Amino acid sequence: TQLLEQSPQFLSIQEGENLTVYCNSSSVFSSLQWYRQEPGEGPVLLVTVVTGGEVKKLKRLTFQFGDARKDSSLHITAAQPGDTGLYLCAGPTSGTYKYIFGTGTRLKVLA
Amino acid sequence: NAGVTQTPKFQVLKTGQSMTLQCAQDMNHNSMYWYRQDPGMGLRLIYYSASEGTTDKGEVPNGYNVSRLNKREFSLRLESAAPSQTSVYFCASRLRGAMNTEAFFGQGTRLTVV
Repeated sequence: TQLLEQSPQFLSIQEGENLTVYCNSSSVFSSLQWYRQEPGEGPVLLVTVVTGGEVKKLKRLTFQFGDARKDSSLHITAAQPGDTGLYLCAGPTSGTYKYIFGTGTRLKVLA
Repeated sequence: NAGVTQTPKFQVLKTGQSMTLQCAQDMNHNSMYWYRQDPGMGLRLIYYSASEGTTDKGEVPNGYNVSRLNKREFSLRLESAAPSQTSVYFCASRLRGAMNTEAFFGQGTRLTVV
């Protein structure tokens, strides 16, 4: 069974601080996606990483896919209150379009 | 653009009652999904449908049935609701054909079983 574990589970930081969120698995994924979810809403896609070692940037957010395609990280530089939300990684189980989600990291950025 | 529409938005059931959660998408997507999200947690896949007429179990299928009647609609049925099924249910769809397409989600159905 493929699983995606995220850490930390909760993170509360001050505005302007940097942070990194991790998504780990013992299995290889062909790609991983990162979503952000706000209260009362469904998740919204931030980025998809496909190639081992790939780095993608989205303004202050930097996403990296591990060389072995078993893990990914999300780094936020100079966090802002608008970054507050639940961050989820997701990936397709082997050879299928069945996407599973990680356990989630709940981020709160204090002004 | 409606996207993915779920009904109802809220529902309270008594233990043992049955109900069907409805989901429809207007983006001509092939794949549709049902997830549940418990407080402070990630999403767990209940059932998945690759195309009209096909369904497959996800991570937590017990206690649920699904029906993909046509390309637009994917319904989730609870035959005999249990308190452990209290959760927020999300329907999602994505275009199949590439492995990396974006999933679009509905607003969720908040279900409480008492």
